[in-house]
Amino acid sequence: GAVVSQHPSWVICKSGTSVKIECRSLDFQATTMFWYRQFPKQSLMLMATSNEGSKATYEQGVEKDKFLINHASLTLSTLTVTSAHPEDSSFYICSARNRGTDSPLHFGNGTRLTVT
Amino acid sequence: QKEVEQNSGPLSVPEGAIASLNCTYSDRVSQSFFWYRQYSGKSPELIMSIYSNGDKEDGRFTAQLNKASQYVSLLIRDSQPSDSATYLCAVGAGSYQLTFGKGTKLSVIP
Repeated sequence: GAVVSQHPSWVICKSGTSVKIECRSLDFQATTMFWYRQFPKQSLMLMATSNEGSKATYEQGVEKDKFLINHASLTLSTLTVTSAHPEDSSFYICSARNRGTDSPLHFGNGTRLTVT
Repeated sequence: QKEVEQNSGPLSVPEGAIASLNCTYSDRVSQSFFWYRQYSGKSPELIMSIYSNGDKEDGRFTAQLNKASQYVSLLIRDSQPSDSATYLCAVGAGSYQLTFGKGTKLSVIP
């Protein structure tokens, strides 16, 4: 089945530093990947759509200069949280499809970011 | 604005009972429907997909779709404490994105 691998699974960083999260599709090619954020006891929130070879599409209210997305290959998308602050502490999850637009999204295991 | 509505719960059922989770959606051209299970602190995992009206069964899970009523449900038979989680309904309408509901928290009481 479709496997999406996300790394790291957790990270602790100091305020002001940057953190990179990787999302890989292991057994399929993904021209489009999605990045979500989830705060404790809240629902999934789509942050951005990552498109291979082109700029990401950000949801309203998400700062594109703070959350840098790079989708340089058909199997890898990265999310970099720049100049992280404690309020960026959250659970970040990527997802992708391995077939057409009617197929389900498969999620990575998520990255728990804690900014101290 | 595409919307997917779920009762937030919590829905409590005794062990061995049937849990019934419901979802309504606003976009009439929706074509694909999914149920995900999310344990606390974990990412969502796909448990059911359904595309046509009617029922689809997979083990203890049955998904039901009624496009005329814009309604999709998930039944869990013989509920187990390990089924305690938040269940997310997701709907696709032919674009790359899925629209997610906010989830229903299910608690199965031993």
